[in-house]
Amino acid sequence: SQTIHQWPATLVQPVGSPLSLECTVEGTSNPNLYWYRQAAGRGLQLLFYSVGIGQISSEVPQNLSASRPQDRQFILSSKKLLLSDSGFYLCAWSGGQGAAQYFGPGTRLTVT
Amino acid sequence: QKEVEQNSGPLSVPEGAIASLNCTYSDRGSQSFFWYRQYSGKSPELIMFIYSNGDKEDGRFTAQLNKASQYVSLLIRDSQPSDSATYLCALLMDSSYKLIFGSGTRLLVRP
Repeated sequence: SQTIHQWPATLVQPVGSPLSLECTVEGTSNPNLYWYRQAAGRGLQLLFYSVGIGQISSEVPQNLSASRPQDRQFILSSKKLLLSDSGFYLCAWSGGQGAAQYFGPGTRLTVT
Repeated sequence: QKEVEQNSGPLSVPEGAIASLNCTYSDRGSQSFFWYRQYSGKSPELIMFIYSNGDKEDGRFTAQLNKASQYVSLLIRDSQPSDSATYLCALLMDSSYKLIFGSGTRLLVRP
């Protein structure tokens, strides 16, 4: 069966510091991968998605970036965090176009 | 105009009752519809998906889709306190990889 991992689970970072969040998927090949952010009490905001290695589509202009160095690895990064970057970051995978998305456990980021 | 609309709630029902959660959408090109459950502080969990008009049942859950009226519903029979969560409706537009989420409806099941 497929499993999706995210780490770290929680993170507290000062404003201006860098960020790296990692997501890996097991048990499937060539998944579509997604990064979402959920601010406190808000809905899910799609940040990036990837349909293959090195292929990244950005949905929201911001100070975040994403990379997919391997088939089942998706990384979310920032060079300098802002207070507004605080939130619950969720990675998800799907089996292809039209397929359901399955979420990882998430990373709760607090920027201080 | 938002593409997916949900009443934020909370929807409060007594234990054992049927909870009815509704979602309307604006794009007639939408083909696939998903319901996720999200407990406080946790990530969303897929409950059901539906592609065709009509009803789809899975245990205590029934998803209903009416493409002509552009709404999708989730019924939870014999509601339990453990069903208390936020329920997210999402749609997948034709030829797209991206899910469009509603803001969710909070359900409270009273013991």
